[in-house]
Amino acid sequence: AQKITQTQPGMFVQEKEAVTLDCTYDTSDPSYGLFWYKQPSSGEMIFLIYQGSYDQQNATEGRYSLNFQKARKSANLVISASQLGDSAMYFCAMRGLLSGYSTLTFGKGTMLLVSP
Amino acid sequence: EAQVTQNPRYLITVTGKKLTVTCSQNMNHEYMSWYRQDPGLGLRQIYYSMNVEVTDKGDVPEGYKVSRKEKRNFPLILESPSPNQTSLYFCASSLAGTSGKNEQFFGPGTRLTVL
Repeated sequence: AQKITQTQPGMFVQEKEAVTLDCTYDTSDPSYGLFWYKQPSSGEMIFLIYQGSYDQQNATEGRYSLNFQKARKSANLVISASQLGDSAMYFCAMRGLLSGYSTLTFGKGTMLLVSP
Repeated sequence: EAQVTQNPRYLITVTGKKLTVTCSQNMNHEYMSWYRQDPGLGLRQIYYSMNVEVTDKGDVPEGYKVSRKEKRNFPLILESPSPNQTSLYFCASSLAGTSGKNEQFFGPGTRLTVL
C-alpha cells in the first residue's frame, strides 16, 4: 500500500520569498512517480510537477522545483519567489508499478497563504 | 481543447434519490478515475477504469457504481445517496501504460450536497 504524508496543514509566506512544502511517502513499489497538484479556491486541480523514482535529477518547472530525496522518501515542493496567486491548497500524490500505475494516492494537502 | 468535463457542476438532492454524474474526456485516454475530496482527508479514489468494460474499486467504493461502455465516458452513479456522500467529486483521465509519468487530467469538479 502507498501512503503520502503532508505534515503542514498550513503555511504562510511573504510575497517574493521561497517556500518549501513537505511531502514524505511510503511504498514498497520498485518504480513510482510523484506528483504535485495545486488547487486554488476556485476548486480545479492543476498539475505542477512530476518526479520519477529513477530520474537522476530533481524536476523543475519554472518557479517550481522538487527536492527529491529517495533514501529519505521525501519529495518536497519548492516554490521560489512566491506570488499572491500561489495562495492555494497543494497536494502531493504518487502512483506505482505494483498497482499498474492505476491508483493515484494523495496526501491531505497543505494550504499556502502568500501575503503582500 | 483537451479537457475532462463533468456535469452537473453543482447538485443538491435528497436522500435516496438516484443520481448520475457524467464525465467525458476528449483525449482518447484509456484510464479514467473518480475521486471524492473531503476537508482534511485529501482526495480518495472511488473507482477507476483501465479501459472500456474494465473497472475496479478504489479506496472508498461503497455506495457508488460506475460503468465504462465507451472510452470517452465514465459516469458515476449514486443509486441511493446519503448525507455522508456530500462531497466534492472529481473525474480524471490519463494515458495508461507502464510509466508512472502519465499525468492525470482532472475535470472541474462536481459539488454534491445530499440532504
